[in-house]
Amino acid sequence: QVQLAESGGGVVQPGRSLRLSCAASGFTFSKYAMHWVRQAPGKGLEWVAIIWYDGSNELYADSVKGRFTISRDNSKNTLYLQMNSLRAEDTAVYYCARDGLRDSSWHYHLDYWGQGTLVTASS
Amino acid sequence: DIVMTQSPDSLAVSLGERATINCKSSQSILYSSNNKNYLGWYQQKPGQPPKLLIYWASTRESGVPDRFSGSGSETDFTLTISSLQVEDVAIYYCQQYFSTPPTFGQGTKVEI
Repeated sequence: QVQLAESGGGVVQPGRSLRLSCAASGFTFSKYAMHWVRQAPGKGLEWVAIIWYDGSNELYADSVKGRFTISRDNSKNTLYLQMNSLRAEDTAVYYCARDGLRDSSWHYHLDYWGQGTLVTASS
Repeated sequence: DIVMTQSPDSLAVSLGERATINCKSSQSILYSSNNKNYLGWYQQKPGQPPKLLIYWASTRESGVPDRFSGSGSETDFTLTISSLQVEDVAIYYCQQYFSTPPTFGQGTKVEI
């Protein structure tokens, strides 16, 4: 069965960095684009970034562009999110999610989600 | 960015009754070359991640009960729960994936 497990969250001071990981299993990781989506406490869902199945392209929300970098290691079945220059407004649960279509060069619906990892940017 | 607006923000429905959630996009999300509406619906229960219910506006995800159905086209969409069950208490989100960035509605809370 498809499993996604995020890790790396925690409390960090504004301006500092953090790297999230998402370990994937139960499917051919290298065939699917992967997303990060976040949810601030008590708020709705905000899409953060996508990386193509082969790592050939990335797209970002304007709110994180230039500060966050999405990457993947298909040999390790792992997705990453490098978050630099963190701000208080980045505080959220961060979910990794699988794109709904394999071998695609666009973003579609999100068919599997991890349990999320909480990032708190606070002094 | 395409803005997704859901209505109502919350609704209370009796057990066994119908629940209807609306989602309106700020521009058409119907892709003419394949005649597909680039819209998904998700269910999120407290303390859990979102779960995909519907994609392409009306295709039910595998394992989702058939009391959940999606309809609509271009800019106006509806998620219907035909007979509300206790386990359907949740927040429901629509999402467009027609253009970048993919965007979600603000959510609709469904209660008994």
